[in-house]
Amino acid sequence: GEDVEQSLFLSVREGDSSVINCTYTDSSSTYLYWYKQEPGAGLQLLTYIFSNMDMKQDQRLTVLLNKKDKHLSLRIADTQTGDSAIYFCAVPSGTYKYIFGTGTRLKVLA
Amino acid sequence: DTAVSQTPKYLVTQMGNDKSIKCEQNLGHDTMYWYKQDSKKFLKIMFSYNNKELIINETVPNRFSPKSPDKAHLNLHINSLELGDSAVYFCASSLPGGPQHFGDGTRLSIL
Repeated sequence: GEDVEQSLFLSVREGDSSVINCTYTDSSSTYLYWYKQEPGAGLQLLTYIFSNMDMKQDQRLTVLLNKKDKHLSLRIADTQTGDSAIYFCAVPSGTYKYIFGTGTRLKVLA
Repeated sequence: DTAVSQTPKYLVTQMGNDKSIKCEQNLGHDTMYWYKQDSKKFLKIMFSYNNKELIINETVPNRFSPKSPDKAHLNLHINSLELGDSAVYFCASSLPGGPQHFGDGTRLSIL
């Protein structure tokens, strides 16, 4: 079956860059997504990348996609304490199903 | 102007009871979903509906019965609640294949 893996924890100092990684097995996806979940809240769409792109930049966020290795990453520049949250990658599996990664818990130290 | 709203936000009940969670979206999406997030924060799809029709049922026990009276609503009824049902349940909606919009979740605690 489809599998989407992430590291569970990441700790960075305020002002440093954070890199969150995701590997997946199903390569039929058109778009791949990153979501952010703050404590007690639902998931918010953070950014996405089209499968024929290698990179997408959106202000402090940079998404890199290596289709050959089935590897997706999210880089957050100048990480702030407000970036502390759980980050999920999501890979569509067909039209009506999404496989979410295990989530990476980002902790930003002041 | 909440896009995806689910009620109640908290649900505390005893084992064996029956309960329902409601979900409504005002985004005009055709597709709606229910997810379960366990205590380790792992998120797993339970059901997918498109235009009121069940598309995906991820081997969820029969005690869970979703109902979609129209495209904007997808409710979840749970019979004979068990301790293992304690979790946060999220409703979401999307255009087919598009990004999902999530509700704030319903925190279900079974005593």
